[in-house]
Amino acid sequence: DTAVSQTPKYLVTQMGNDKSIKCEQNLGHDTMYWYKQDSKKFLKIMFSYNNKELIINETVPNRFSPKSPDKAHLNLHINSLELGDSAVYFCASSAQQGRTEAFFGQGTRLTVV
Amino acid sequence: GNSVTQMEGPVTLSEEAFLTINCTYTATGYPSLFWYVQYPGEGLQLLLKATKADDKGSNKGFEATYRKETTSFHLEKGSVQVSDSAVYFCALSVNTDKLIFGTGTRLQVFP
Repeated sequence: DTAVSQTPKYLVTQMGNDKSIKCEQNLGHDTMYWYKQDSKKFLKIMFSYNNKELIINETVPNRFSPKSPDKAHLNLHINSLELGDSAVYFCASSAQQGRTEAFFGQGTRLTVV
Repeated sequence: GNSVTQMEGPVTLSEEAFLTINCTYTATGYPSLFWYVQYPGEGLQLLLKATKADDKGSNKGFEATYRKETTSFHLEKGSVQVSDSAVYFCALSVNTDKLIFGTGTRLQVFP
């Protein structure tokens, strides 16, 4: 069983489109995250949710909207995609925010053309 | 603010060589420190961690010691293998805040 699973693994889309990435964790964790990894492998947190409540929003454009229907799911919706949104997006979860190990999904490679 | 600085890569080694990847940090408060590894095409996996000064984290032959006096958490392995080729990330978290990552260091091991 995959602990943190994301879909899709690859996403190619045109500028201006709206797309969603889904994430599910079966670890029973309370905290979930979205990270963005750019072409130079630099990882930056975008959002953090704890028990469906938004905890961290790191100055991400309004075009990005996370949604957590329950504590096992954290989806990412992106409106009006831009070329600069091309990156690998990682979902992660942890039992306790910050102190404990974060488990990462395999990533979604988003390419905007 | 809180930040992590890692040595730039790539680090290129022959099999069985000794590995050191330097990591230093700046933090307010008392951070927990982590090393994550990312194999090609995969997500990050926790390699080891240390939650207080002088703790040593170890896993799969890798070690790192939390040095408060030098604000460092250098990753070491005595004898690397080709299968260790990956990108290694140093990270910290303070209290219950988010994980902050370094820029990553690519390790390439050749037979």
